[in-house]
Amino acid sequence: GEDVEQSLFLSVREGDSSVINCTYTDSSSTYLYWYKQEPGAGLQLLTYIFSNMDMKQDQRLTVLLNKKDKHLSLRIADTQTGDSAIYFCAETPMNRDDKIIFGKGTRLHILP
Amino acid sequence: DAGVTQSPTHLIKTRGQQVTLRCSPKSGHDTVSWYQQALGQGPQFIFQYYEEEERQRGNFPDRFSGHQFPNYSSELNVNALWLGDSALYLCASSSVTSGNTDTQYFGPGTRLTVL
Repeated sequence: GEDVEQSLFLSVREGDSSVINCTYTDSSSTYLYWYKQEPGAGLQLLTYIFSNMDMKQDQRLTVLLNKKDKHLSLRIADTQTGDSAIYFCAETPMNRDDKIIFGKGTRLHILP
Repeated sequence: DAGVTQSPTHLIKTRGQQVTLRCSPKSGHDTVSWYQQALGQGPQFIFQYYEEEERQRGNFPDRFSGHQFPNYSSELNVNALWLGDSALYLCASSSVTSGNTDTQYFGPGTRLTVL
């Protein structure tokens, strides 16, 4: 079946690293994504990883993929107040233009 | 280069009415997907249009229908609205003909409230 699970809330102090975790069930998933949604806004694609990779780094963002455990994580280094948002883990079963299966989102709260 | 655009931004309807939402894809994209995001939930896939035909469909009733025009823009129609249809409706565009080299881009969404 298709299912993406992630914790609902995370609180992090400004300047610390945030780590948002996600698990998925579809072993055929080829692309895994992290999207950011700010209040009242649409979805912003932060980064994605192809299933034959185990890590991808893009500035403050690091994505780790453990395909064996079907576990995906997003690390945000030096978390800032502007990082406060809901982060969605997502997957596409086959191709990048395929339907996207989303988790329920993790709300990241930044503590001063 | 305009990204994905959607109209209207907000919409209020009453139960039983019908609604039409519109989406213009990102320049160079030929495929449009629609998602429903209820409050506190992740987006749920409704359907996808390519070459003016429905290519894939999620678990939504027939009250949800769509259309794609020759210029690749798309409409989402919902008939017999009920309270549970209140949500943010997101459109995403992508390119099939680019050989799977581009990912999906989302528009800002249309917030539909059904009273």
